[in-house]
Order: sequence, then structure tokens, then C-alpha cells
Amino acid sequence: ETGVTQSPTHLIKTRGQQVTLRCSSQSGHNTVSWYQQALGQGPQFIFQYYREEENGRGNFPPRFSGLQFPNYSSELNVNALELDDSALYLCAKGQNQETQYFGPGTRLLVL
Amino acid sequence: GQQLNQSPQSMFIQEGEDVSMNCTSSSIFNTWLWYKQDPGEGPVLLIALYKAGELTSNGRLTAQFGITRKDSFLNISASIPSDVGIYFCAGQLMNRDDKIIFGKGTRLHILP
Repeated sequence: ETGVTQSPTHLIKTRGQQVTLRCSSQSGHNTVSWYQQALGQGPQFIFQYYREEENGRGNFPPRFSGLQFPNYSSELNVNALELDDSALYLCAKGQNQETQYFGPGTRLLVL
Repeated sequence: GQQLNQSPQSMFIQEGEDVSMNCTSSSIFNTWLWYKQDPGEGPVLLIALYKAGELTSNGRLTAQFGITRKDSFLNISASIPSDVGIYFCAGQLMNRDDKIIFGKGTRLHILP
């Protein structure tokens, strides 16, 4: 039990729509990273937030954006959804940019 | 970009057998991590390695950080049914920007 929670657990959207995914933890981890995991693949780094500022970004377009709040909860927003955005979205939380613990993920299906 | 080559892609073993899997990279890593992922769950950290040559155990699991900093292996001794799942190696780069780079996973099956 990592204490990291994500919501919703599952989501179905259609192409062109926008989606917001959420992540929180019981303790005040000040680093949060988001990953996309396509079926049969390893997770791919989207971006990281540290103390509410973006602190590194992977190879994802600007329509993937994020927020970290003062209580260290976080959101991942994806605009103009595409079919290829269907994946498991994982958030990972840590302290001071150190090794991170993953939540159970949100499974997004884009039709 | 940086890639991790993880092998084997899948394994079929008998309960009680030992398992070995490994990961290689073209880049030098500062940290090697091994995760296990069960269906419908996020990856769970098994072992973290922070120093070249380091050998670390966690119960029946043993992992090593290669001397060249470009490889790592994970061994599981005396496998049991709950070891079934997907094992991922992951690394953080020497010039760290803190992102974790994952391999594609090794899917472990245990035959009845």
C-alpha cells in the first residue's frame, strides 16, 4: 500500500474531448510525476512537478498539461484527445525528487 | 532517446525454480530500480540500487547494479505462484532530470 490514490479508476472519452485525471497521497510528498503506460509497454514519463512547478518533461505534446496544488495533490489534463491516448495513466509521488511510489492508475479509453 | 533493453520478454517456469532477468542500457544510469506490476495495479517498487556494484536483497529477490552502470539484473529464488506478474527494470540518468526510464517488462508465468 503506497498511500497514493488516483481518480477516476476508469474513464471513457471520445476523440476531441478533454480529460482531467487526479492524484493524491496521504502524506505530503512534494514531488509528483505522471506516466503513460500503453498496453504491453513500460510506463513513459510525461512530466514531473516539484513544489508546484514543472520540473522536467518527457516527449509529450503541449496538450498534455499538469498542475500541482499546495496540498501536493495533482492533476493531469489532456486536451483534444486522440485514439492513441488510450492507456493507463500513472502518477508517482515522492519526497524531494527521490524515488517514487506509484498509484494504481487511471485507465483511459478514447473512442 | 534513452532506451532500456529488458530480457527475456516472457518466461514460463515451474514453481520452485529460480528466475533471472536483466536490463541493459546504452546510457549510464545513476540509479537502477526494479518494479513488479500486477494486473490492474500500478508498479510496486521491489528494489532500488544507488551504487555501481551494489548487490541488494529483498527476501527471495536479489538485484545488482552493474559495474559499468549500464546494466542490472534481478534474481528470484524458489519461485511461488504469487511471483506471477510483469517485472520492470527502470533507471534514472547520470545527469538526472529525475524522470524514470522503464524497460518493456518481463512477463513471468508459473506453470502448475
